[in-house]
Amino acid sequence: AQSVTQLGSHVSVSEGALVLLRCNYSSSVPPYLFWYVQYPNQGLQLLLKYTSAATLVKGINGFEAEFKKSETSFHLTKPSAHMSDAAEYFCAVSEGGANNLFFGTGTRLTVIP
Amino acid sequence: DAGVIQSPRHEVTEMGQEVTLRCKPISGHNSLFWYRQTMMRGLELLIYFNNNVPIDDSGMPEDRFSAKMPNASFSTLKIQPSEPRDSAVYFCASSLPQDTGELFFGEGSRLTVL
Repeated sequence: AQSVTQLGSHVSVSEGALVLLRCNYSSSVPPYLFWYVQYPNQGLQLLLKYTSAATLVKGINGFEAEFKKSETSFHLTKPSAHMSDAAEYFCAVSEGGANNLFFGTGTRLTVIP
Repeated sequence: DAGVIQSPRHEVTEMGQEVTLRCKPISGHNSLFWYRQTMMRGLELLIYFNNNVPIDDSGMPEDRFSAKMPNASFSTLKIQPSEPRDSAVYFCASSLPQDTGELFFGEGSRLTVL
């Protein structure tokens, strides 16, 4: 069975600083991995996804994530935080199919001016 | 293209009343999901449909909750009778037939039961 752990329910960074949101997964088969973002009063939207192609995945708004099988990690990074990045970020894992998608508990990112 | 459309966006009702939430998935998507989001429990999958057929409703909290999908473009989630602990944001999401695990979410229906 698959699971996802997001370390840190809240992360604060200064505007222009590096953003690092951590995600570790557990899966018995090669997983599909996702990062979703939820802005206030909105639904979740896909930021990026890993589906067994390149291990470094680039997403929207300058975010990227690296799949590291040896560490069972899929951390999300962005070199320079912008005020508009303030949102909640969810890591998710699937062993195949949208019906088999497991979400982490989310990390709320605050960007300090 | 229009995204997933949910209505109402906000609903305030009194305990014991019936609540119906509505969802129109993206055209061409053959799977539809209902999620509930609360501070305490995070995102919970309630039920999902494939080609209008309910496949897994194990996440539905209890018999007060029911969901239907009479056709490919419409689904409802009904709570009867509603209770204060049902207060949450309810999301509908749909996915493509290729089924990569990517979901497209609506903006949610915020339910408050007094």
